[in-house]
Amino acid sequence: GAGVSQSPSNKVTEKGKDVELRCDPISGHTALYWYRQSLGQGLEFLIYFQGNSAPDKSGLPSDRFSAERTGGSVSTLTIQRTQQEDSAVYLCASSFSWTGVSSGYTFGSGTRLTVV
Amino acid sequence: GQQLNQSPQSMFIQEGEDVSMNCTSSSIFNTWLWYKQDPGEGPVLLIALYKAGELTSNGRLTAQFGITRKDSFLNISASIPSDVGIYFCAGQRVDSSYKLIFGSGTRLLVRP
Repeated sequence: GAGVSQSPSNKVTEKGKDVELRCDPISGHTALYWYRQSLGQGLEFLIYFQGNSAPDKSGLPSDRFSAERTGGSVSTLTIQRTQQEDSAVYLCASSFSWTGVSSGYTFGSGTRLTVV
Repeated sequence: GQQLNQSPQSMFIQEGEDVSMNCTSSSIFNTWLWYKQDPGEGPVLLIALYKAGELTSNGRLTAQFGITRKDSFLNISASIPSDVGIYFCAGQRVDSSYKLIFGSGTRLLVRP
């Protein structure tokens, strides 16, 4: 697609439920990133995928968080047993592998997750 | 996680005024980036800086990569209403080719 597409744009869930957030990167971009933006805060790195390499999961805040990327394209971020502190905007970004961060990569519009 | 120290947190300015914001870090960075985020959207890259001392302009925006590689500033000249939004600095540390560290943002509000 023309840009990074994320769905849903908004999600309200009850505490304890599982949620899945989807990211469809720009066609041809082999690098994919997930960041979390809490209210009034900057962006916090969660996970990075690059081609067939093992993902860098060092930013995932707990084992309730997991992510996968199928076929080198679409990625799903799953949060199990959601807690109120998980409420945030989850942003996905993608880039060509050879430019990485130097291109500033392209962000989607995010999924606003609210846990009630 | 680690964040950059970005200031000011917010500012009201009169249309036509110049704006300045900056970021500092205890770590050395290879790259400094400045983003703008509009409500309900993801951040959009404004300026990228790759060398210590580099001064780069993009229209009314000017940014500099600090000589110590631990700081950067962004200036906006002759502000207009569409400059409203949140501005983030972001840095790439020397030990990572892909991970960005973000500041907490500067919220810019313009009085028409």
